[in-house]
Amino acid sequence: AQKVTQAQTEISVVEKEDVTLDCVYETRDTTYYLFWYKQPPSGELVFLIRRNSFDEQNEISGRYSWNFQKSTSSFNFTITASQVVDSAVYFCALSEAETNFGNEKLTFGTGTRLTIIP
Amino acid sequence: DVKVTQSSRYLVKRTGEKVFLECVQDMDHENMFWYRQDPGLGLRLIYFSYDVKMKEKGDIPEGYSVSREKKERFSLILESASTNQTSMYLCASTFGSETQYFGPGTRLLVL
Repeated sequence: AQKVTQAQTEISVVEKEDVTLDCVYETRDTTYYLFWYKQPPSGELVFLIRRNSFDEQNEISGRYSWNFQKSTSSFNFTITASQVVDSAVYFCALSEAETNFGNEKLTFGTGTRLTIIP
Repeated sequence: DVKVTQSSRYLVKRTGEKVFLECVQDMDHENMFWYRQDPGLGLRLIYFSYDVKMKEKGDIPEGYSVSREKKERFSLILESASTNQTSMYLCASTFGSETQYFGPGTRLLVL
């Protein structure tokens, strides 16, 4: 069975500090996908990144970066120079590879609530 | 841009009522999903559908049913609402193994 663990329930940092959100996953699949979603107070989940299991290159997008390490089954997310607009709940998720039906079920972590203090 | 809409942002129902939550996507996606989100539990999959009239149970289907009569619409039905179904309900859609896109969510309160 797949499992995603986000051990940090809540994090608070002062604006402009860097912050890392941890994500550890378990799966027996050799091919899988990892995701990060942001959920601002409005409630809608906003897609941030999708990474397949064969691509261990780190990714940077503006102030956001992701560190995928297969050896430790982790897919951590770092926000550099945090801003108040980064305040949200962040979810890490894992999906099995494409099935015969072509669908993709996501297993979510419990989320990390990030508060950026002005 | 992908657009997933849900019929209501907030809903208040009484115990025993039949409740319909509607989800519509405008991108001709084959796959649609219903999740519920509860504090400390993250999102949990209730049902999903990979084609019209096709459905599969997710991790927590008890107390729910679904309907997909048209490709763009996926309905979640609570046959007899109970207080433990008070939650945030999120719909998502995707094409094949691409990224899931989510609607804004429906906050349901069952009294």
